[in-house]
Amino acid sequence: QKEVEQDPGPLSVPEGAIVSLNCTYSNSAFQYFMWYRQYSRKGPELLMYTYSSGNKEDGRFTAQVDKSSKYISLFIRDSQPSDSATYLCAIFSGGYNKLIFGAGTRLAVHP
Amino acid sequence: DSGVTQTPKHLITATGQRVTLRCSPRSGDLSVYWYQQSLDQGLQFLIQYYNGEERAKGNILERFSAQQFPDLHSELNLSSLELGDSALYFCASSASTTGVGELFFGEGSRLTVL
Repeated sequence: QKEVEQDPGPLSVPEGAIVSLNCTYSNSAFQYFMWYRQYSRKGPELLMYTYSSGNKEDGRFTAQVDKSSKYISLFIRDSQPSDSATYLCAIFSGGYNKLIFGAGTRLAVHP
Repeated sequence: DSGVTQTPKHLITATGQRVTLRCSPRSGDLSVYWYQQSLDQGLQFLIQYYNGEERAKGNILERFSAQQFPDLHSELNLSSLELGDSALYFCASSASTTGVGELFFGEGSRLTVL
């Protein structure tokens, strides 16, 4: 079992849709939860970062963490074609001192 | 622009060869990370250096080695290359000493082994 599992996609939605991206993780000791966005032919860039259970909002993006279920989500409201990218969840393991990435979900938002 | 520079952007070589990938971190960042990204494996952590010292190791093969120099740039050396080593290799840097915090990624070096 992988330490971080992510829905593979690809996901194709119309402009304006609400998008839900999800990851599960195996180790309850994982502490910090992040979402990175990667455009084609570019390196990943940090989108959101949280360390506690609950929701964190930033504009059209909401990150949700449920530590009891070991489940994290990223919601995108009013999705735009410019949101088309690969979204990677990432979890920091203090014990291993490393950031573990999910495989990424490719999202396409069409006009 | 993340401020992290990687060279070369593209590299094509043959099996059995050796290549060196270079990374210049953001100004002031002491931590450098190397990741490998392939279609079937996603983004895999290879190794981290902090101020010249190895800090954490991931799934790095024995044929691969890395170092961070006094000027903080880093090199990833890949030897006895195999077809399966074809991938995007990313370098990232961070100001964090603990590994928690934002990683700034370069645009990657795409390695093709024929």
